[in-house]
Amino acid sequence: DIQMTQSPSTLSASVGETVTITCRASQSVTTWVAWYQLKPETAPALLIYKTSNLQDGVPSRFSGSGSGTEFTLTISSLQPEDFATYFCQQYRNPPWTFGQGTRVDIK
Amino acid sequence: QLQLHESGPGLVEPSETLSLTCSASGDSITRDSNFWGWARRAPGKGLEWIGTVQFGGSTYYNPSLHGRATISLDSSRSQFFLSLRTVTAADTAVYYCARLTFTRYFDLWGRGTLVTVSS
Repeated sequence: DIQMTQSPSTLSASVGETVTITCRASQSVTTWVAWYQLKPETAPALLIYKTSNLQDGVPSRFSGSGSGTEFTLTISSLQPEDFATYFCQQYRNPPWTFGQGTRVDIK
Repeated sequence: QLQLHESGPGLVEPSETLSLTCSASGDSITRDSNFWGWARRAPGKGLEWIGTVQFGGSTYYNPSLHGRATISLDSSRSQFFLSLRTVTAADTAVYYCARLTFTRYFDLWGRGTLVTVSS
């Protein structure tokens, strides 16, 4: 299985800050990486697919980059509704695997 | 706008079978290009893909479940199902149903349902 190692596990930030979350794959997944946002009591939301493609309706302050084994999700100018948990996922090879998650807290 | 909603018992006894239903509303689930699946998140852990079913009935499962999972689809009722046999406390999790694209990322999710395995 391809392991996805996500860091940091928790991140404290203020509204308006820019934050970056990293995901490292145990082997190359080329650009087959997606990012999701999870909030309690709500359906998870797809943010980005194929490393850098923004899902329809997702604000442009979210962006993704990377290739091979290292990927990043950047949230520019953090908004109150962005405090949530974020997961990366590889879909290069089954079984599809996720990172352990990064919780973004209010500082 | 398609929406997904999970339903099923919130408490299952150890060694029994966990059975969940995902009901789709707002659109059809019969497009061949889509896959339908389940994922879960155990307390304090990350997300885990459980398995996927395609409209034609083909299924794919995470080997980590050692053959305990079965996913099926009833397109006439716009529902798909998860059965997980011989559960233990390690199967306690929030279970999500989801739509997967042809390339296998999850583009639509349900809100999730907590299932606790306990006697």
